[in-house]
Amino acid sequence: ELKVEQNPLFLSMQEGKNYTIYCNYSTTSDRLYWYRQDPGKSLESLFVLLSNGAVKQEGRLMASLDTKARLSTLHITAAVHDLSATYFCAVDEGRGGADGLTFGKGTHLIIQP
Amino acid sequence: DAGVTQSPTHLIKTRGQQVTLRCSPISGHKSVSWYQQVLGQGPQFIFQYYEKEERGRGNFPDRFSARQFPNYSSELNVNALLLGDSALYLCASSLVSWAGGLYFGAGTRLSVL
Repeated sequence: ELKVEQNPLFLSMQEGKNYTIYCNYSTTSDRLYWYRQDPGKSLESLFVLLSNGAVKQEGRLMASLDTKARLSTLHITAAVHDLSATYFCAVDEGRGGADGLTFGKGTHLIIQP
Repeated sequence: DAGVTQSPTHLIKTRGQQVTLRCSPISGHKSVSWYQQVLGQGPQFIFQYYEKEERGRGNFPDRFSARQFPNYSSELNVNALLLGDSALYLCASSLVSWAGGLYFGAGTRLSVL
């Protein structure tokens, strides 16, 4: 059974600081996704990582994938309050979606002024 | 372009009742997936449908069923509701290739009393 673990599960940080969220998973996969969820809202796709060594950046967020270590990171640079949300990583085992995505429990991020 | 649309947005039912949730995918998307998100947790895969055929099913009891129509819209049915079925039910659509990831709707919040 595929397991996806995120840490930390809760993070409070100040504006302007840098931090990294980690996502470990238990099976071989080269398809990893990051989503953002605001309170009471649906999931917004942030990054799609489809190969070992993939790195993608959007604004103050950068995601990377190391399939050999079964690890993805989401790095936040110079955090701003608007980035406060819950961030999920999700892994696709690669059966054409037949197993769906397996999500981590999410990292609840609060950025304080 | 319209995104994934779900109806209703909120629903209150009592134990033992049955419920039907509806989803319309993004135009051109032929795959629809359903996820259950319990408060404070990551979404959990229920079903994936492609071209009206069930392609995948998560670890949910037979009380959960779904179908996809010729226009690619989908319904999720839950029978004999339990208190534990209270959750946000998310529908997501995707292109055939899957590599683009999922696009989620706003969800239906189901409360079972």
